[in-house]
Amino acid sequence: QKEVEQDPGPLSVPEGAIVSLNCTYSNSAFQYFMWYRQYSRKGPELLMYTYSSGNKEDGRFTAQVDKSSKYISLFIRDSQPSDSATYLCAPGDGNNRLAFGKGNQVVVIP
Amino acid sequence: DGGITQSPKYLFRKEGQNVTLSCEQNLNHDAMYWYRQDPGQGLRLIYYSQIVNDFQKGDIAEGYSVSREKKESFPLTVTSAQKNPTAFYLCASSISSRQDSNQPQHFGDGTRLSIL
Repeated sequence: QKEVEQDPGPLSVPEGAIVSLNCTYSNSAFQYFMWYRQYSRKGPELLMYTYSSGNKEDGRFTAQVDKSSKYISLFIRDSQPSDSATYLCAPGDGNNRLAFGKGNQVVVIP
Repeated sequence: DGGITQSPKYLFRKEGQNVTLSCEQNLNHDAMYWYRQDPGQGLRLIYYSQIVNDFQKGDIAEGYSVSREKKESFPLTVTSAQKNPTAFYLCASSISSRQDSNQPQHFGDGTRLSIL
């Protein structure tokens, strides 16, 4: 079993829809959780960062962590064509080491 | 502007040749990392450095070498021993090298290496 599992997609949604992305992990040592957004031919850009179980909101983005189920989600409200990208979940173990999923590819159709 | 600069953006290697990828940061970050990204796979850690003049192997270090002579710079050499070097290489840095630190990593825009 891989440490981090993500469904690579692609996930296509109409503009204005809610995008729901999910990630599961197997290592109980993971303490903090990040979501990165990566555009084609670019480096990943930090989107959300959280330590604890529960929800964290930043504008149109909400990150949700359930440590008991080892389940991480990212929601994007009022999706825009500029949200078309690959979203990487990356839990970390507190030793400055991150484990990356394969990424969810999202396409927002105008 | 503060950030991480990777160069060149595209690089071509001939068989049997070593090539060096540059990574420079002006964020005053202690820790620096090199990852490899292949289609359909997550980022895989090659090497990381938590302090100047020290570095550790990641999960796929074979065929690669690094140096950390300055805080700002962490070059990666892809040697001829790396049999499948074609990939997108990403450099990252984080603010703290302490082992109990949970600081996020910030990435450069990558170097795409191809074999001629």
